[in-house]
Amino acid sequence: DQQVKQNSPSLSVQEGRISILNCDYTNSMFDYFLWYKKYPAEGPTFLISISSIKDKNEDGRFTVFLNKSAKHLSLHIVPSQPGDSAVYFCAASQLSNDYKLSFGAGTTVTVRA
Amino acid sequence: NAGVTQTPKFQVLKTGQSMTLQCAQDMNHEYMSWYRQDPGMGLRLIHYSVGAGITDQGEVPNGYNVSRSTTEDFPLRLLSAAPSQTSVYFCASSYSSISGNTIYFGEGSWLTVV
Repeated sequence: DQQVKQNSPSLSVQEGRISILNCDYTNSMFDYFLWYKKYPAEGPTFLISISSIKDKNEDGRFTVFLNKSAKHLSLHIVPSQPGDSAVYFCAASQLSNDYKLSFGAGTTVTVRA
Repeated sequence: NAGVTQTPKFQVLKTGQSMTLQCAQDMNHEYMSWYRQDPGMGLRLIHYSVGAGITDQGEVPNGYNVSRSTTEDFPLRLLSAAPSQTSVYFCASSYSSISGNTIYFGEGSWLTVV
């Protein structure tokens, strides 16, 4: 039973435009959320995180929004660049044991020139 | 992926064979874990450790053993390989932080069981 869901397997966006990736979770005990980026044949690399005491966290071109009542988070990438083409994983955990992550299935982002 | 090293990168096994995937980290992280990634399913937690001498099961532990004799090393053992264990395996490490951990992943080990 997947507790973290990314319902869009792929996203294609033009360079310079905004990419919006969505993620839903079912476990109300989750209070810490992360986004990871993965290139082929490499391990996932940390992108940005947010705890449930916030509804927004920004880091350069990347912003994560959290809607606790809807159990929904999103990642905005503005502007999108060709190097952003990768698989993006949403992950969730409880801060009390945040070494255990539950992952979504991933969204493949392709940035078109 | 700084600091988490996995070996081997690629391995082909026959059904029933055993093998060990090695994982080492040089960041003095207390937490280490193993995930597997399968198509359409994201990463799933196999086993984890909160410190030397302490291990516990994750979401999909069957068919795997782990041990943590040192802070640095966390090997994953396949006892009797099955085709269902064909997957990409990622080792990860992190440290405790009140603001939330950042988990660092190794580059992955591609395992095929025939």
